[in-house]
Amino acid sequence: EAGVVQSPRYKIIEKKQPVAFWCNPISGHNTLYWYLQNLGQGPELLIRYENEEAVDDSQLPKDRFSAERLKGVDSTLKIQPAELGDSAVYLCASSFGSGAYNEQFFGPGTRLTVL
Amino acid sequence: AQSVAQPEDQVNVAEGNPLTVKCTYSVSGNPYLFWYVQYPNRGLQFLLKYITGDNLVKGSYGFEAEFNKSQTSFHLKKPSALVSDSALYFCAVENGNKLVFGAGTILRVKS
Repeated sequence: EAGVVQSPRYKIIEKKQPVAFWCNPISGHNTLYWYLQNLGQGPELLIRYENEEAVDDSQLPKDRFSAERLKGVDSTLKIQPAELGDSAVYLCASSFGSGAYNEQFFGPGTRLTVL
Repeated sequence: AQSVAQPEDQVNVAEGNPLTVKCTYSVSGNPYLFWYVQYPNRGLQFLLKYITGDNLVKGSYGFEAEFNKSQTSFHLKKPSALVSDSALYFCAVENGNKLVFGAGTILRVKS
């Protein structure tokens, strides 16, 4: 069974440029999560989708971050414009079922460096 | 708000010795608690979870964790450490259908 796929694995951009990350969850998983992981810290939830609906985006900085999951399968997270402080690892995870007690499967992450 | 704390940034243990990685929680009500492991350049992997029932939870790779309500702890343990167990370990608690992670503990197992 294929795991959660993320691309790109690494991205280096200049500040004020846009950037997008893509995630393809495990087949059949209806819940998809985007997390931000800063160096030396645990992941922090940015947004959670149940199918195509964003059910928790309270931690997403909506002035510059956006996300979509149009068909309830793969998802894209965008930053526009990027700032130096956005340098971090962006993790995507998926689970079967919506409760947080369900095991979440994580992708390898996208490491973003903003110069 | 629900939260977890991992009081040790790093734990060092010799191969073959028992290991413990500590986690304490602060929640209202009955917590759902988790342990995840992160290897370099790889995503987090689920180890085990406590939802209800037996306080001793067994998980992947020989790990187990004990839920202690009176001490509000959920320490991760393994009877005999392997060098391959060296990784970054995260404790997490469920809060409103999302996971809240601790800062992580680096485990180094030396041969």
